Amino acid sequence: AQSVTQLGSHVSVSEGALVLLRCNYSSSVPPYLFWYVQYPNQGLQLLLKYTSAATLVKGINGFEAEFKKSETSFHLTKPSAHMSDAAEYFCAVGMNTGFQKLVFGTGTRLLVSP
Amino acid sequence: DAGVTQSPTHLIKTRGQHVTLRCSPISGHKSVSWYQQVLGQGPQFIFQYYEKEERGRGNFPDRFSARQFPNYSSELNVNALLLGDSALYLCASSYEGRGAYGYTFGSGTRLTVV
Repeated sequence: AQSVTQLGSHVSVSEGALVLLRCNYSSSVPPYLFWYVQYPNQGLQLLLKYTSAATLVKGINGFEAEFKKSETSFHLTKPSAHMSDAAEYFCAVGMNTGFQKLVFGTGTRLLVSP
Repeated sequence: DAGVTQSPTHLIKTRGQHVTLRCSPISGHKSVSWYQQVLGQGPQFIFQYYEKEERGRGNFPDRFSARQFPNYSSELNVNALLLGDSALYLCASSYEGRGAYGYTFGSGTRLTVV
């Protein structure tokens, strides 16, 4: 079965510092991978997705992620954190079992301090 | 264009009661999926509907049911509510039935069971 593991339930950075949120996946087939962001009391917003094209995926709000098959990883990065980046971030893998669904990780809360 | 709309936004129910949650997809989207997000966890897949037919079901008890209407809107029904059903229920729509990879999420319905 496909799954994702997010390392670190909380990550704290200072404004302007590098953001690195970790995600490792488990999949027996080439995966489709996603990062979503969730602000308080809101739904999920897609940041970026990997669908077997370029391994370096650029998303919205300056975020990007690199698919590394050898490390089974899909870490999310942003060069310089902004206060508005404080939110919950979810990594997800797409499963295809006759229909498609997403399997999410447990999430990482990003805290940004001034 | 309107996004995915869910109603109500918040709901408080008593154990043993029944609840109906509603979702209107983006215009032109024919597929609706439901996810449950318990506090502190990632969303979990409940159902996917496409063209009024159930295409997939997650590992949830039969107390959970759903349907999709000719206008592609959807209802999620939960019977005999338990305290553990307290969660944020997210609806996502996509154009194609196999289109988890083109999801747009709504803001969710926060259900509290007391």
